[in-house]
Amino acid sequence: GQNIDQPTEMTATEGAIVQINCTYQTSGFNGLFWYQQHAGEAPTFLSYNVLDGLEEKGRFSSFLSRSKGYSYLLLKELQMKDSASYLCAAESGGYQKVTFGTGTKLQVIP
Amino acid sequence: GAVVSQHPSRVICKSGTSVKIECRSLDFQATTMFWYRQFPKQSLMLMATSNEGSKATYEQGVEKDKFLINHASLTLSTLTVTSAHPEDSSFYICSARDKSGGREFFGPGTRLTVL
Repeated sequence: GQNIDQPTEMTATEGAIVQINCTYQTSGFNGLFWYQQHAGEAPTFLSYNVLDGLEEKGRFSSFLSRSKGYSYLLLKELQMKDSASYLCAAESGGYQKVTFGTGTKLQVIP
Repeated sequence: GAVVSQHPSRVICKSGTSVKIECRSLDFQATTMFWYRQFPKQSLMLMATSNEGSKATYEQGVEKDKFLINHASLTLSTLTVTSAHPEDSSFYICSARDKSGGREFFGPGTRLTVL
């Protein structure tokens, strides 16, 4: 089966850096997504990692270790608007099925 | 980026009625569309995978006779919640994947409230 774990909630200060971790156990793993979701809205794509290593995209970076079944999302220079839920999702199988984690609710405080 | 629309964005209906939700890919052809359900404070749960021209593949625990999915064309999939009940009240989100098999593009979601 598929199992994805990430912290339920995190709090960080405006301007700081925060790292949201995700561990996954899935058969036929293809790649790892990170999405941002504000309350009442659909998820917004942030990143997709297939290979090991860090990929940087502006203030957001995502890391993947396939051997460890581990990923993290790094948010720099936090802004108040970054307060949202961050969903880790693993893609697997030939049909590219995506399984979502429960999401990490990030609160950015002044 | 690619755009996926959903209609309606919000619907309120009486218990026992059926509700149809449309999901359209506006600027690309989607061979595969996915339907998710999200209850308050929970993550997205995949309900079914919809492939154009074939029957949808439902996840375990999702009643295929209650949640009818039709993927009639490469740009349209519909989800019909039949005989809706209050426990079906949820946020329903579709996503579409293009023919090249790239990442999913999510629709804006449909908020269903069953009274």
